[in-house]
Amino acid sequence: GAGVSQSPSNKVTEKGKDVELRCDPISGHTALYWYRQSLGQGLEFLIYFQGNSAPDKSGLPSDRFSAERTGGSVSTLTIQRTQQEDSAVYLCASSLRGAYEQFFGPGTRLTVL
Amino acid sequence: AQSVTQLGSHVSVSEGALVLLRCNYSSSVPPYLFWYVQYPNQGLQLLLKYTTGATLVKGINGFEAEFKKSETSFHLTKPSAHMSDAAEYFCAVSAPSGAGSYQLTFGKGTKLSVIP
Repeated sequence: GAGVSQSPSNKVTEKGKDVELRCDPISGHTALYWYRQSLGQGLEFLIYFQGNSAPDKSGLPSDRFSAERTGGSVSTLTIQRTQQEDSAVYLCASSLRGAYEQFFGPGTRLTVL
Repeated sequence: AQSVTQLGSHVSVSEGALVLLRCNYSSSVPPYLFWYVQYPNQGLQLLLKYTTGATLVKGINGFEAEFKKSETSFHLTKPSAHMSDAAEYFCAVSAPSGAGSYQLTFGKGTKLSVIP
C-alpha cells in the first residue's frame, strides 16, 4: 500500500517568505508527527497530532511555526517569515496510534536563501 | 525526559566483518527503543524495535539488537557487513509524554561505511 508522502520534495525560498509543507499519512493512521533534520541539531520533534485531540506543539521552535491537520488526515506545516536557520529536511511520520511504529515520509528539503 | 547517545559518528568496517553500532539511552520510564536506517536523500526506515518481552530483537537485513536495562544500552549488530549496509543509522527512544505523544528522541546518528 501507499506510504507516507510529502510535498514538495524540495523547496527553495527567500528569507522572509512564508512556506507550506504538506504531508499525506498512511490511510487509517490516527497519529501524525513532524520532525526536522538539520546538520547542527540532528533530528528534532516538532509537533504531534492524534485524532481529534489537541496537538502537542511542545517541539515547535518559535511562533513562526504552525501546523494543522484537516479531517484527521492531511497535515500542513507552515513556516512564516522564513530564516536561514530554518533550512533543513522536514520529515513527517504517521502511526496507527501514538505508541505504534512510526512510518516516515521521504521528507521536504527546505533551503532558505 | 529521554536522551540518546550514539558512540561514534562514523564507523568503518570491512565487507564481511562484524557491525557494532553503540547506543545508550536515558529514560525516566520504561522506554520503547528503535533503530532506524537512512539512505542518502531518503526518509527513515525502521530496522527493529524493542517494546516489551524478549530483550534480543531481530530486525530486517540481518540486524539485531539487545536491550540491556542494567547498562541502559541498545547496541545494534550484524554478523557480516554487506556493501549495501552503508548508510546512516539512528537510535531512538520513545516514551509517553504528558500530552499522550510518543515522539521519538533520536541520537545524532552513526554513518556506517563498508570497505570492500
